[in-house]
Amino acid sequence: AQTVTQSQPEMSVQEAETVTLSCTYDTSESDYYLFWYKQPPSRQMILVIRQEAYKQQNATENRFSVNFQKAAKSFSLKISDSQLGDAAMYFCAYRSAEYSGAGSYQLTFGKGTKLSVIP
Amino acid sequence: DAGVIQSPRHEVTEMGQEVTLRCKPISGHNSLFWYRQTMMRGLELLIYFNNNVPIDDSGMPEDRFSAKMPNASFSTLKIQPSEPRDSAVYFCASISRFGTYNEQFFGPGTRLTVL
Repeated sequence: AQTVTQSQPEMSVQEAETVTLSCTYDTSESDYYLFWYKQPPSRQMILVIRQEAYKQQNATENRFSVNFQKAAKSFSLKISDSQLGDAAMYFCAYRSAEYSGAGSYQLTFGKGTKLSVIP
Repeated sequence: DAGVIQSPRHEVTEMGQEVTLRCKPISGHNSLFWYRQTMMRGLELLIYFNNNVPIDDSGMPEDRFSAKMPNASFSTLKIQPSEPRDSAVYFCASISRFGTYNEQFFGPGTRLTVL
């Protein structure tokens, strides 16, 4: 079974600065997807960014980018120019890309990192 | 599209009462997931459906929990009888099996408090 570990329960960053959230995972599969979800106080789970394991290029979405190290099974999220609205829980998630029937679309989540943004 | 709809948003009940949580997935999505979120255990998958059929309910904590999906546009998660340790936020998510990324779209969650 796959596991996802977020070793930083809480982090803080000064507004306009850059912060990196860590995520490691354990899998024996070669093809999979990785996701970062944001959960603000409203509780809504919002997809921030996704990465396909077969792509070497790191995904970017505006101020959000990832550092995907497949051999190290590491998938960190970098937030540049942090804004007050970035304050939230961030969850790293794993999904297999290998079709194995109905279970292929199941997400495995880490425990989350609570990010505070200091004005 | 309105996104995944869950009701109620908040539910407060007393121990022993039956609780029913509802979910309407995004139209056209054919897989539906129920998650539970607590501080201690994080996000846990309880059960998921494909084409209205329950596929894996191994995450359902015990027999007090049951889930149904009578049609493609509606699912329920029932707890009977409820206990204080069931207090959590319950999320429903849906996904289309077509497309490249199969992104899960989450509902706003139901915060359940069992007194």
